[in-house]
Amino acid sequence: DAGVTQSPTHLIKTRGQQVTLRCSPKSGHDTVSWYQQALGQGPQFIFQYYEEEERQRGNFPDRFSGHQFPNYSSELNVNALLLGDSALYLCASSPGFGELFFGEGSRLTVL
Amino acid sequence: DAKTTQPPSMDCAEGRAANLPCNHSTISGNEYVYWYRQIHSQGPQYIIHGLKNNETNEMASLIITEDRKSSTLILPHATLRDTAVYYCIVSYISSGSARQLTFGSGTQLTVLP
Repeated sequence: DAGVTQSPTHLIKTRGQQVTLRCSPKSGHDTVSWYQQALGQGPQFIFQYYEEEERQRGNFPDRFSGHQFPNYSSELNVNALLLGDSALYLCASSPGFGELFFGEGSRLTVL
Repeated sequence: DAKTTQPPSMDCAEGRAANLPCNHSTISGNEYVYWYRQIHSQGPQYIIHGLKNNETNEMASLIITEDRKSSTLILPHATLRDTAVYYCIVSYISSGSARQLTFGSGTQLTVLP
């Protein structure tokens, strides 16, 4: 049984560009959450998707947007990249109200 | 969610029990205590959670004080592979949505050979 898979694992962008990160949840999980983890800090909640809708959102600007597809997979989009967006982006899935299972993350570097 | 306080770092000898403390003095009655850990360059891993009673699973034990203002995660026989950052998180289950976790800085546990 595959766990949470994320792609790409590493990527480099320049300021002002746009990036799309992808997440496939664990089998049987219908809820996907995204977290941002800056170097040396704990993960920070970005938003959560359930039934293809954004259900909760953390304190992140509108440059951060997402989508959930009918097969429960999800994308995180970040527009107008800033140097401060450099971080590990983590996807977590859960079966409804169940425990969160995290992927290995996508490491984004903005130059 | 209530705020948690953890020591920034701890050491433990291999094979000995690792006891990681967490203070959550403002916890409310419907909030659970969760523990996750993050091994370097990997995603966080769920360990255990509890509400009032002590809990045990194959990974660890969770001891919650009677007033619920603090808790201790116990790894009974620490191994080198347990070296990680351990996060204590307090969160409630909100009907209609899965858990949103608020991570702090955690405790860096280093298991020494």
